[in-house]
Amino acid sequence: GENVEQHPSTLSVQEGDSAVIKCTYSDSASNYFPWYKQELGKGPQLIIDIRSNVGEKKDQRIAVTLNKTAKHFSLHITETQPEDSAVYFCAPRWTTSGTYKYIFGTGTRLKVLA
Amino acid sequence: GAGVSQSPSNKVTEKGKDVELRCDPISGHTALYWYRQRLGQGLEFLIYFQGNSAPDKSGLPSDRFSAERTGESVSTLTIQRTQQEDSAVYLCASSPPGLAGGTGELFFGEGSRLTVL
Repeated sequence: GENVEQHPSTLSVQEGDSAVIKCTYSDSASNYFPWYKQELGKGPQLIIDIRSNVGEKKDQRIAVTLNKTAKHFSLHITETQPEDSAVYFCAPRWTTSGTYKYIFGTGTRLKVLA
Repeated sequence: GAGVSQSPSNKVTEKGKDVELRCDPISGHTALYWYRQRLGQGLEFLIYFQGNSAPDKSGLPSDRFSAERTGESVSTLTIQRTQQEDSAVYLCASSPPGLAGGTGELFFGEGSRLTVL
């Protein structure tokens, strides 16, 4: 099965600084790499994703980079704001027998200090 | 509503009782997932339904856990003879159809918080 590791588990940054979270996976057949943001008391929400045919994708202050050879992908948040404070999860998709299973990382709690 | 709906939002039960949790996916979404999230932890995969195919039950932790889904509509997760370690938030997510798993996005409900005393 798929093993997913996420680092760091907690991250505190000053407002305006950048934050980087890394996700390492084991299944080389994984082909879809999303990041989810979970605010307190809510379900996770997709913030950005990347497919295996590209190396980087950017959406305003958020970017995701993928290194398929090394089997890891990273979330980059620039110019952090207090509302970025949340728990972030990577969830590489693992495909088997035509089904799609998402294995979530253990999460990174990001605190943006004002 | 347009989102995934889960009920109840909160459930307190006594050890040994059975509980049923309900998930209403977004209309037209063929895939439905259940995850368990213990306090301060990540999401643990439980079960996955895809259309009329046999469900992937590989994440169910014991035979006390079961889930059903009728077609592409409502799903219920049942926990029999609840134990204190079952206390967690149970999250449901649905995903639209399409080639190679569709867009890939999972749409989550807000979860059902279960407390077993």
